[in-house]
Amino acid sequence: GENVEQHPSTLSVQEGDSAVIKCTYSDSASNYFPWYKQELGKRPQLIIDIRSNVGEKKDQRIAVTLNKTAKHFSLHITETQPEDSAVYFCAAGSGFQKLVFGTGTRLLVSP
Amino acid sequence: NAGVMQNPRHLVRRRGQEARLRCSPMKGHSHVYWYRQLPEEGLKFMVYLQKENIIDESGMPKERFSAEFPKEGPSILRIQQVVRGDSAAYFCASSPNTGTDQPQHFGDGTRLSIL
Repeated sequence: GENVEQHPSTLSVQEGDSAVIKCTYSDSASNYFPWYKQELGKRPQLIIDIRSNVGEKKDQRIAVTLNKTAKHFSLHITETQPEDSAVYFCAAGSGFQKLVFGTGTRLLVSP
Repeated sequence: NAGVMQNPRHLVRRRGQEARLRCSPMKGHSHVYWYRQLPEEGLKFMVYLQKENIIDESGMPKERFSAEFPKEGPSILRIQQVVRGDSAAYFCASSPNTGTDQPQHFGDGTRLSIL
């Protein structure tokens, strides 16, 4: 089955810096890769997703890149703000199937 | 358009009791997924259902756990004879019934505590 690895487990940056979180997946059949942000005690919120027919997608300060050959995808957050502090999860799936999540990255943005 | 609704938000049970967790998907969504999250960990898939059908239950323990999504009413995740290890946050997600690779939107979760 699918296995998703996520790095780093914790990431501390200064406000205004960029943050990059990386994930790798094992199942070449996976074709859908969402990213979720989860604040303490809250629901996971979808922040961006990418499908296998594109290599990059951007939404304001957030971008995701996908390398299907290498089976890895990354989340890029530019101009970080304290409210970006949260746990970020990558996931991989296909069609309507289950999502397999990474283990999460705790991002701390210091003012 | 209301989001995914889960209740209760918090549930306390003693060992050996039953826990029932409810999930109403977003309007227009007919795919429901249940995930479990232990403290400081990621989300683990449990079961995927459509109306009146279990599509994939590969992540759900074979004993004590069951799930349903009846024609009318919410999806129910049922845990019988709960044990301390069942303590976790249980999240439900739903996705639309058209197209492929549609995003899964999560509810606020049910935090289950076993005494």
